[in-house]
Amino acid sequence: SQELEQSPQSLIVQEGKNLTINCTSSKTLYGLYWYKQKYGEGLIFLMMLQKGGEEKSHEKITAKLDEKKQQSSLHITASQPSHAGIYLCGADNNAGNMLTFGGGTRLMVKP
Amino acid sequence: DAGVTQSPTHLIKTRGQQVTLRCSPKSGHDTVSWYQQALGQGPQFIFQYYEEEERQRGNFPDRFSGHQFPNYSSELNVNALLLGDSALYLCASSLSAAGELFFGEGSRLTVL
Repeated sequence: SQELEQSPQSLIVQEGKNLTINCTSSKTLYGLYWYKQKYGEGLIFLMMLQKGGEEKSHEKITAKLDEKKQQSSLHITASQPSHAGIYLCGADNNAGNMLTFGGGTRLMVKP
Repeated sequence: DAGVTQSPTHLIKTRGQQVTLRCSPKSGHDTVSWYQQALGQGPQFIFQYYEEEERQRGNFPDRFSGHQFPNYSSELNVNALLLGDSALYLCASSLSAAGELFFGEGSRLTVL
């Protein structure tokens, strides 16, 4: 079965700093989703990547899927307190949106 | 345009009881999936419904069952509740089984 490992597990940064979260898969990724979750709430869709080398950006968040499609990174530029939360990567196993999720990265941004 | 809506938002049950959770998909979506998220962990796939049939199932016992209605809404039923069933239950919808997957706010189940 596919496994996803996220690193770091938790992160505390000063407001204004850049940060990167990584998601590594044990198998080739057919599709990789990034979500943000506020504690105890639902998942907010950020981006979906499907092609090797693909890069997408939304506001100050950029996600990339490497050429071999086994690793993705999420980069936040000039972090703000509103970026705080749990970031989850989810992998599509090519069986139709049956996602396997990583354990999440807990981000705190200090004002 | 309403997103994915779930009810109830919170509920408390005792061991051995049964629970039903409900989900309305995002407008235009026809596929509904259910996930269980234990505290401090990532969500785990329970099952997926399309055209009123269970299309895929994760590693969950038969105590977990579901249903999809003609209007694409869905229910998740859990029988003989165990303490370990305490979790946030998330519903997600998409158009067919491809494309962007959108989640609801979840139903927080506590089993005492």
